[in-house]
Amino acid sequence: KAGVTQTPRYLIKTRGQQVTLSCSPISGHRSVSWYQQTPGQGLQFLFEYFSETQRNKGNFPGRFSGRQFSNSRSEMNVSTLELGDSALYLCASRQGRSGTDTQYFGPGTRLTVL
Amino acid sequence: EDQVTQSPEALRLQEGESSSLNCSYTVSGLRGLFWYRQDPGKGPEFLFTLYSAGEEKEKERLKATLTKKESFLHITAPKPEDSATYLCAVPFSGGYNKLIFGAGTRLAVHP
Repeated sequence: KAGVTQTPRYLIKTRGQQVTLSCSPISGHRSVSWYQQTPGQGLQFLFEYFSETQRNKGNFPGRFSGRQFSNSRSEMNVSTLELGDSALYLCASRQGRSGTDTQYFGPGTRLTVL
Repeated sequence: EDQVTQSPEALRLQEGESSSLNCSYTVSGLRGLFWYRQDPGKGPEFLFTLYSAGEEKEKERLKATLTKKESFLHITAPKPEDSATYLCAVPFSGGYNKLIFGAGTRLAVHP
């Protein structure tokens, strides 16, 4: 079974631009979560989608948004990029909605903001 | 407040030198503890889930154990390919389906 895939793998943007990242979950998985990973803050939860609805949101500004499609694929968008948005953005999928279900991570998208 | 603390931050071992990594947690009503391995520039790779105190799981040279306040990842006779950052995480107790991660332990195994 194919794992979680994320595109693109690398992105370079400049301040003020916006960016869209894509995630395809494991087949049959309906929950998709997004995390930001930086050397200083580690892995931090952004939001979770299930059945095309945002279920939870972390402590990030409104510039960070996302959506989920009917096939469970998800996108996240960051508008008005800041230097501090440079990070590895990780997508994780799980089969159900229970917090005890294992989350499987994709390879990540490395975003660099200049 | 939910918190996960991992120690040590970094660990250097010689090939074959066994050791343990620690993950201590403060969370109301633990609903599971997850261990992941992360190689540089890659996403975390799932290793184990532990649900109750006393539970143990093994995979090759790795063995994870869980008590009421902490978890250990024991590495027996490590090889250089075991070099990675090991992360532990617990589900947030506030009902959200998010994971609270520790900062990780960077393990380097030298031949």
